[in-house]
Amino acid sequence: TQLLEQSPQFLSIQEGENLTVYCNSSSVFSSLQWYRQEPGEGPVLLVTVVTGGEVKKLKRLTFQFGDARKDSSLHITAAQPGDTGLYLCAGVNTNAGKSTFGDGTTLTVKP
Amino acid sequence: ETGVTQSPTHLIKTRGQQVTLRCSSQSGHNTVSWYQQALGQGPQFIFQYYREEENGRGNFPPRFSGLQFPNYSSELNVNALELDDSALYLCASSPDRGHGYTFGSGTRLTVV
Repeated sequence: TQLLEQSPQFLSIQEGENLTVYCNSSSVFSSLQWYRQEPGEGPVLLVTVVTGGEVKKLKRLTFQFGDARKDSSLHITAAQPGDTGLYLCAGVNTNAGKSTFGDGTTLTVKP
Repeated sequence: ETGVTQSPTHLIKTRGQQVTLRCSSQSGHNTVSWYQQALGQGPQFIFQYYREEENGRGNFPPRFSGLQFPNYSSELNVNALELDDSALYLCASSPDRGHGYTFGSGTRLTVV
């Protein structure tokens, strides 16, 4: 069974601070995706990383895929209240037609 | 382009009943996946359909079944409902297997 562990589970910070959340697994994935989910809504795709060691930037968000394609991190610079939400990572095994989600990191950014 | 649409948005069923949830995938997307999300947890993969064929399945019993139609819309059927089936059911479509998913807003199922 492929498992993804996300840490920390909860994070509460002040506006302007930086933060990093982690997504770790013992399994290798074809790709890894990060999503943000708000209450009452479905997850919204932020990024897909495919190559080991890959780094992608999306404005203040930086995503990194581990060299062995087993883990990933999301770094947010100068967090804003609008960044508040549940951040989910999902490991994709394309051949098996399966995606495995972690339980997410709930981020609260206080003004 | 339209996104992923799920219906109904909310549903209350009695234990032992059967339920059908529906999903219209985003235009141009041939892959649909279904997930169950319990409160405080991440989505759990139920199964994936690719061009009308089941392409992968998670650890859910056979009473969870699905269909994908020629227009790539999809249904999730759950028989013999149990109290633990109460959850948010999410449908997600993608242009091909392995690509990023576009999620619908989900169907909130309550089993009493």
